[in-house]
Amino acid sequence: DQQVKQNSPSLSVQEGRISILNCDYTNSMFDYFLWYKKYPAEGPTFLISISSIKDKNEDGRFTVFLNKSAKHLSLHIVPSQPGDSAVYFCAVRLSGSARQLTFGSGTQLTVLP
Amino acid sequence: KAGVTQTPRYLIKTRGQQVTLSCSPISGHRSVSWYQQTPGQGLQFLFEYFSETQRNKGNFPGRFSGRQFSNSRSEMNVSTLELGDSALYLCASNRGSTDTQYFGPGTRLTVL
Repeated sequence: DQQVKQNSPSLSVQEGRISILNCDYTNSMFDYFLWYKKYPAEGPTFLISISSIKDKNEDGRFTVFLNKSAKHLSLHIVPSQPGDSAVYFCAVRLSGSARQLTFGSGTQLTVLP
Repeated sequence: KAGVTQTPRYLIKTRGQQVTLSCSPISGHRSVSWYQQTPGQGLQFLFEYFSETQRNKGNFPGRFSGRQFSNSRSEMNVSTLELGDSALYLCASNRGSTDTQYFGPGTRLTVL
């Protein structure tokens, strides 16, 4: 039973436009949410995070939105750049399990020049 | 500051053998976690060490074990390798008081 779902395996966006990546989770006890970017043959790179007491967090071109009632997380990238092309994973942490992350299956983002 | 380093980067073993992977965390980070990434199962948590103690363990068989040394470096061992153990093994570190894990480049293990 998947606790964290990224329902879109892939997404293509034109350079300069907005990329929106989505993530749904099932357990209301998750209290910390992260997004990672991964290139082939490399480890995931941390992008941005948000705790359950907030509904939005921004860092440059990246914004994460959290809708707790819908158990939905999204990452917005504006403007999208070709270098953003990678696999994006959302990850969640269960309250009390400080360093055990549960990952979604990932979304391959392709930004077209 | 140097990132998380993992050695070796690539490894080929045969069924039944055992393997040891190494991870050096970011300086000052005391927690090390291990993850397995496979095409079918995605990224799955193996275990976490803090101050030389295993604090958390994922749903993996006892063939998977680890340890952490006093300098926070960690090793992961897989005994009696199976074909299904072929995967990218990732190590992540973080300071005890923060929630963000930083990942190393991984060790690609192939079991023939």
